[in-house]
Amino acid sequence: DAKTTQPNSMESNEEEPVHLPCNHSTISGTDYIHWYRQLPSQGPEYVIHGLTSNVNNRMASLAIAEDRKSSTLILHRATLRDAAVYYCIPRRPTLQFYFGSGTKLNVKP
Amino acid sequence: NAGVTQTPKFQVLKTGQSMTLQCAQDMNHEYMSWYRQDPGMGLRLIHYSVGAGITDQGEVPNGYNVSRSTTEDFPLRLLSAAPSQTSVYFCASSYVSPPYEQYFGPGTRLTVT
Repeated sequence: DAKTTQPNSMESNEEEPVHLPCNHSTISGTDYIHWYRQLPSQGPEYVIHGLTSNVNNRMASLAIAEDRKSSTLILHRATLRDAAVYYCIPRRPTLQFYFGSGTKLNVKP
Repeated sequence: NAGVTQTPKFQVLKTGQSMTLQCAQDMNHEYMSWYRQDPGMGLRLIHYSVGAGITDQGEVPNGYNVSRSTTEDFPLRLLSAAPSQTSVYFCASSYVSPPYEQYFGPGTRLTVT
């Protein structure tokens, strides 16, 4: 399974954009890149996923490098509610998810 | 539509006791899974199922049993609880077709003394 490298923690100011990076240099051609986040004392929740092209949804944008060895989750305007641990998960179509340690995002008012 | 529900929310066991953590979903998802999360760590996959009657092991299956007799339910059994199994347990479900978005339950906090 593809290994991921994410910063342990990041900090952002409220209302500003946040770019959360993820390196997945061993990703295979069939791995989707999923992002989940976990708010304090809750189960993880889906944020976004992509394969090759950049993706947008109501929560965030996902920018995928051309070689697919890295991706960036973009929160366009961080709110206090976005403070969470963000997990980047390259996932093969075997249905198994392997979570790493993620990036803890702190949002300052 | 309740999504994924887990019971109990909290449980304290003594070493050697057994118990079953319950998980149910009402979204007709084929795929269900169990994770554990130790303090300050990410989630680790224990067991998963792609449909009734079909289960398989994840990263950390030792000490746990599962069965899947219906689409809706996926109970996790601790056979003989150990302090190392103190953790928060999450159940999740999804369809087996893209985009594989998983829905997680609220978790069960288990303490083994």
